[in-house]
Amino acid sequence: RKEVEQDPGPFNVPEGATVAFNCTYSNSASQSFFWYRQDCRKEPKLLMSVYSSGNEDGRFTAQLNRASQYISLLIRDSKLSDSATYLCVVNILRTNAGKSTFGDGTTLTVKP
Amino acid sequence: GAGVSQSPRYKVAKRGQDVALRCDPISGHVSLFWYQQALGQGPEFLTYFQNEAQLDKSGLPSDRFFAERPEGSVSTLKIQRTQQEDSAVYLCASSLKNLAVSSYNEQFFGPGTRLTVL
Repeated sequence: RKEVEQDPGPFNVPEGATVAFNCTYSNSASQSFFWYRQDCRKEPKLLMSVYSSGNEDGRFTAQLNRASQYISLLIRDSKLSDSATYLCVVNILRTNAGKSTFGDGTTLTVKP
Repeated sequence: GAGVSQSPRYKVAKRGQDVALRCDPISGHVSLFWYQQALGQGPEFLTYFQNEAQLDKSGLPSDRFFAERPEGSVSTLKIQRTQQEDSAVYLCASSLKNLAVSSYNEQFFGPGTRLTVL
């Protein structure tokens, strides 16, 4: 079982739709959480960090449930430009070091 | 430059050949990461540097993989005696602080080196 699991999709939605992605992680020592976005054949870029209280950035809302070891990303009013792969990322810290574990991503295609 | 740069962007190697991949992080960034990304998968952690110190190399798949960052800036990932299963995109990322100081550190990725081993 992978340490970070995501539904690979693909999710195909019309413009304006609301779509939600889920991510589960297995290591309870995980300390920080992120969503990155990766366009086809490009490098990943940070979309948003995920805080315990949940956080919102425009049309994007991220939630964290530590008890269930679950992270979600909600996109409202989808745009064509939202089409990309969304990567869930979990950081595990050890003394003076650390490791980032990525999920395999969920692919979103927004259609006109 | 403003971002992370990597070279070469594309590398084709014959099986058994040695390759060296270079990463120029953002100036002043303390942390540097290498990842391997296979087609259709997320980036897999290889190794982490804090300045010149390699603090975590738990993700390196074999002793054919070696990484260094001797002066705490530019890093090189070397793969000896390449195999077909080494074919992937190798991504480098840097972040401003070390992970022990701030776990919510944004990682800035370079464009990657696409390695194909024939």
